[in-house]
Amino acid sequence: QVQLQESGPGLVRPSQTLSLTCTVSGGSISSGGYYWNWIRQHPGKDLEWIGYIYYTGNIFYNPSLETRLSISVDTSKNQFSLKLSSVTAADTAVYYCARAPGASSAYYFDYWGQGTLVTVSS
Amino acid sequence: SYELTQPPSVSVSPGQTARITCSGDALPKKYAFWYQQKSGQAPVLVIYEDNRRPSGIPERFSGSRSGTMATLTISGAQVDDEADYYCYSTDISGNQKVFGGGTKLTVL
Repeated sequence: QVQLQESGPGLVRPSQTLSLTCTVSGGSISSGGYYWNWIRQHPGKDLEWIGYIYYTGNIFYNPSLETRLSISVDTSKNQFSLKLSSVTAADTAVYYCARAPGASSAYYFDYWGQGTLVTVSS
Repeated sequence: SYELTQPPSVSVSPGQTARITCSGDALPKKYAFWYQQKSGQAPVLVIYEDNRRPSGIPERFSGSRSGTMATLTISGAQVDDEADYYCYSTDISGNQKVFGGGTKLTVL
């Protein structure tokens, strides 16, 4: 069974860049067939999809974040990463990585990491 | 931007049927999905493609979709089902991937 694990700093200063990595185990990102996503949950509990990457490097971002966002993949490490620049307190959230089946007739998330809290504060 | 609307809370007694609704303009054309999130944990998929249950999800969880509304039904709700439930779907283009605001289910 596939497992996802987020890692990265829990505290980021305002205006700096938030960087997180998701390590995938139990399956290879480069085998294809799945999209690899970042999702965040604000303290008020709202869930927000951030963006996805395919193992080929194909990406798609939430338009509300795309000017500050970069998602990349490292198939040799079976990891994908998130960088969000110019952060503010509004970016404080639990960040999840999640897998989306590519072969489905609809886009959804079947496996999630446990999440990591990132706080933006000076 | 596209929105999915859920009631903030639903409360039932143990053994009763809980129904959680989700409304969205694109639902006549798009599947609905449901996630359960217990306190301090990641969301777990309990219903996909309107009414299909992933392996390991109890049969008391079911889903339906009609017009602009999708419904998650928990038949014979148990105390262990207390959680936040989120619906998820996309806009008509498929580009906006959206969660509802969540419904807190209380079973007591």
